[in-house]
Amino acid sequence: GENVEQHPSTLSVQEGDSAVIKCTYSDSASNYFPWYKQELGKGPQLIIDIRSNVGEKKDQRIAVTLNKTAKHFSLHITETQPEDSAVYFCAASRMNRDDKIIFGKGTRLHILP
Amino acid sequence: EAGVTQFPSHSVIEKGQTVTLRCDPISGHDNLYWYRRVMGKEIKFLLHFVKESKQDESGMPNNRFLAERTGGTYSTLKVQPAELEDSGVYFCASSQNALPYNEQFFGPGTRLTVL
Repeated sequence: GENVEQHPSTLSVQEGDSAVIKCTYSDSASNYFPWYKQELGKGPQLIIDIRSNVGEKKDQRIAVTLNKTAKHFSLHITETQPEDSAVYFCAASRMNRDDKIIFGKGTRLHILP
Repeated sequence: EAGVTQFPSHSVIEKGQTVTLRCDPISGHDNLYWYRRVMGKEIKFLLHFVKESKQDESGMPNNRFLAERTGGTYSTLKVQPAELEDSGVYFCASSQNALPYNEQFFGPGTRLTVL
């Protein structure tokens, strides 16, 4: 069935350094790849997304890349700050077909002072 | 504008009891989704309503789970009888029909603990 693998499960980086989270997906029909940030006591919040016809997208300190051939996508956070500490989920979906979001298991990111 | 709200935020019940979770979507959102995250695992899709109709319930684990959305506004998810493996965080999300894709907005979740 549809599956999204996410690595690492935990990541600690020094404040100011970069963090990278990698995911792979199994469903070739996936065409939309959102990334969510979940802070304590809150639900997942969309922070950036990428569609299958785009290879890279950037929004300030956050960038996502997509390799459709290899079915890999990744999240890059540069110049990390304490408020970046959270759980991050990658996900894949067949938007406008069934809208169901398939999530990875999450990465707990710790920003060290 | 208010976001997706869920009630209760926490629920602790004993095995065999019944629990009902409630979700109020963002006003005007026709699409409503239920997801669940069991400890340490991924967030898994349960089902999708379009207004009051079940569009996709392929993720519902078994017939102990019943979701309703009477009138196409808020939704309830009932677990009866609850089992230990039902423990987890239940998220609700909503979206409107928008092009090119429907962004789903998530509620804060209900943490269910079955003892």
